[in-house]
Amino acid sequence: RKEVEQDPGPFNVPEGATVAFNCTYSNSASQSFFWYRQDCRKEPKLLMSVYSSGNEDGRFTAQLNRASQYISLLIRDSKLSDSATYLCVVNPRGNNRKLIWGLGTSLAVNP
Amino acid sequence: GAVVSQHPSWVICKSGTSVKIECRSLDFQATTMFWYRQFPKQSLMLMATSNEGSKATYEQGVEKDKFLINHASLTLSTLTVTSAHPEDSSFYICSAMTDGNTIYFGEGSWLTVV
Repeated sequence: RKEVEQDPGPFNVPEGATVAFNCTYSNSASQSFFWYRQDCRKEPKLLMSVYSSGNEDGRFTAQLNRASQYISLLIRDSKLSDSATYLCVVNPRGNNRKLIWGLGTSLAVNP
Repeated sequence: GAVVSQHPSWVICKSGTSVKIECRSLDFQATTMFWYRQFPKQSLMLMATSNEGSKATYEQGVEKDKFLINHASLTLSTLTVTSAHPEDSSFYICSAMTDGNTIYFGEGSWLTVV
């Protein structure tokens, strides 16, 4: 089993749609979790951290289910500019020294 | 603006030559930097952890004699791909960690070996 697994997609959605991505991780002792966004041929950029209680940042909502070992990202009212690859990242040790990256889920928002 | 600068952004080199990539933290000191490699449609793979003033810690399967890492100051780490071959063509990304364990990524370097 991979340490971090994501559905690679691609997800093709119309503007304004709501889309959800899931990510599962294998190490139950993992400490912290993140969603990154990576545009084509660019470096990844932190979208948001994922907290146990769930957290929201504008149109983006992240949730963590430790019991089932999965993380989710919900994007509401999709914009064309949301088109990118979304990377699930797990920090097994809590000190950011070794981040485990998912393969990413590709999202294309269409007009 | 970018807090971690990586240079060059693009480089094409001949097979057998060496290429150096620089990673600089612009407004903070980074005792720890990380070097990743990403092949097309694959996830980021950590190559090594660069520690200021000491030897880098390489991940399993990464040849330390081929990928030379030097972290001579608190703001600069370099990765040298020695005797590069076409299979080394990839996207190389560095990141730097602040004292508070926040990670910032460089813009990445595209290496093409011909």
